Amino acid sequence: DADVTQTPRNRITKTGKRIMLECSQTKGHDRMYWYRQDPGLGLQLIYYSFDVKDINKGEISDGYSVSRQAQAKFSLSLESAIPNQTALYFCATSGGPGTATDTQYFGPGTRLTVL
Amino acid sequence: KNEVEQSPQNLTAQEGEFITINCSYSVGISALHWLQQHPGGGIVSLFMLSSGKKKHGRLIATINIQEKHSSLHITASHPRDSAVYICAVGGSQGNLIFGKGTKLSVKP
Repeated sequence: DADVTQTPRNRITKTGKRIMLECSQTKGHDRMYWYRQDPGLGLQLIYYSFDVKDINKGEISDGYSVSRQAQAKFSLSLESAIPNQTALYFCATSGGPGTATDTQYFGPGTRLTVL
Repeated sequence: KNEVEQSPQNLTAQEGEFITINCSYSVGISALHWLQQHPGGGIVSLFMLSSGKKKHGRLIATINIQEKHSSLHITASHPRDSAVYICAVGGSQGNLIFGKGTKLSVKP
């Protein structure tokens, strides 16, 4: 089984709808991240969490919210989806800097299209 | 100016060629990561390094901390190496700051 899973893998929705993307990990890592990838751009950080009680905004958090339901689960919500949120979304986990598990492990991605 | 710059943006090679992808960064880092993104979109970590050189199979990654520069080398390239290679540096919050990637195509 994959260490980091994302659901759904593909989603098409309409402008104004609320969407939730879910991420689960079996790595036992405390740190989890949500990134988005747009064609021609590098991945950009949306939100990150160091543990269940610690949530932080990334560089492009506007229009998004997150929930860390448990160490293993980190969900990303689009409260009212708009077309320029069409992108590939990745969840990732790591043990954090200075640890042997600082390598980031990525989920398979969710391709979201907002019409 | 982007904090992480990669070159080239696109690279086409013939099977068997030696390939070099470069990464320069302008921020202080905890570590530098090389990632590979397959045509299907999945991302895997190839290397994480903070000094010197690492080797895994035909892949070699080097970093020069003083010059803030890293290189990824692929020896004896093969069509299955075709992918986007992404350089990323560890930010102060444990997140990664990404370059835009280098799209490599290896022709048989």
